[in-house]
Amino acid sequence: EVQLLESGGGLVQSGRSLRLSCGASGFNFHDYAMHWVRQAPGKGLEWVASISWNSDTIDYADSVMGRFTISRDNAKSSLYLQMHTLRGDDTALYYCAKDIDSSRWHYLDYWGQGTLVTVSS
Amino acid sequence: DIVMTQSPDSLAVSLGERATINCKSSQSLLKSSNNKNYLAWYQQKPGQPPKLLFYWASTREAGVPDRFSGSGSGTDFTLTITSLQAEDVALYSCQQYYSSPLTFGPGTKVDVE
Repeated sequence: EVQLLESGGGLVQSGRSLRLSCGASGFNFHDYAMHWVRQAPGKGLEWVASISWNSDTIDYADSVMGRFTISRDNAKSSLYLQMHTLRGDDTALYYCAKDIDSSRWHYLDYWGQGTLVTVSS
Repeated sequence: DIVMTQSPDSLAVSLGERATINCKSSQSLLKSSNNKNYLAWYQQKPGQPPKLLFYWASTREAGVPDRFSGSGSGTDFTLTITSLQAEDVALYSCQQYYSSPLTFGPGTKVDVE
């Protein structure tokens, strides 16, 4: 059974940093691209960042470019999102999601339960 | 970036009745090289993560009831629930994967009338 378990969320002051983690199991993590997608309270889904299976290809939403860094450790079947200079509009539930492909972004067939990031001023 | 829009924002349907959700993209999602539409649909029940319903616009994910159907091509797509059940109350979102960045529609909330 595929499982994605996010952690690392919490309440943080504006301008500070936070690191999210996502542990994967139930599939060959190293074979698939992975994504972070967020959802602000009461809002729709917003793609944040993506990383290919070997970390060669990485993409970021304009809203987080230069502040967030996505990375992965295939040996640990883990995905990360380092977030710096957090702002109020970064407040959201952050989902880790699995792509169906290894290096080109497609649709997302499995999602974690999410970890909540709240940025206070 | 490809902009995804959905209509309506919300709808309430009686149990057993049809629900129709529309999704429109700012440019065609049909790739001529393989004749596939790069569009997916997700269902998100309250307090749960999104669940994949359809990909390639009309290919049903395993386990999705056949009362759900996906259709459309190019820039206009539709998700239809032919006979709404109570467990179908959810937010439904479309997503394009034709080009990066991946973009989602704002979602359509479906409730029971």
